[in-house]
Amino acid sequence: KQEVTQIPAALSVPEGENLVLNCSFTDSAIYNLQWFRQDPGKGLTSLLLIQSSQREQTSGRLNASLDKSSGRSTLYIAASQPGDSATYLCAPLGGTSYGKLTFGQGTILTVHP
Amino acid sequence: SAVISQKPSRDICQRGTSLTIQCQVDSQVTMMFWYRQQPGQSLTLIATANQGSEATYESGFVIDKFPISRPNLTFSTLTVSNMSPEDSSIYLCSVRRDRYGYTFGSGTRLTVV
Repeated sequence: KQEVTQIPAALSVPEGENLVLNCSFTDSAIYNLQWFRQDPGKGLTSLLLIQSSQREQTSGRLNASLDKSSGRSTLYIAASQPGDSATYLCAPLGGTSYGKLTFGQGTILTVHP
Repeated sequence: SAVISQKPSRDICQRGTSLTIQCQVDSQVTMMFWYRQQPGQSLTLIATANQGSEATYESGFVIDKFPISRPNLTFSTLTVSNMSPEDSSIYLCSVRRDRYGYTFGSGTRLTVV
């Protein structure tokens, strides 16, 4: 059974800092990995999708890397802004979970003006 | 990626009643997924809904409590039956597109009193 751990559980930083959010997963036989953002009480917004054959993916100030063999992914946020405040979730797809998404507990990010 | 319209966005319901949540997708999809997110927790898959067949439920979830309909390839409903305060959660529907990964609806925030 796939298990996902996200570190840190919470992070509070001043505006402008560069951030690193970490995700580890136990089953490396994945098809891809997706990073999401969730605002309080809302649904999930997809940020980046990394295929198992890729090492990284970039969108604007966001960069996600994937080291499938070691079961790790990192989300890098450059020049953080108050609008980045949200919960960030990583979700690998596949492995022994047979094509189902498995979610970590998330990292709660607060960016202060 | 797909666009999903989910409603209601929130509701407050009396104990013992039922609530039906609807999800409409802007294009045809084979499978739709229903998730529950209890307060302070990550997402848990309830069931996978295929058009023309019974939904497949995950361990701990049963059809009598969470009946699902999937009348066509763009629409699905989830009913939360005989509600108790423990059912207070955010409920989300989702679809998967190979190229884009998973897309989620905006969520239904349910409070049972």
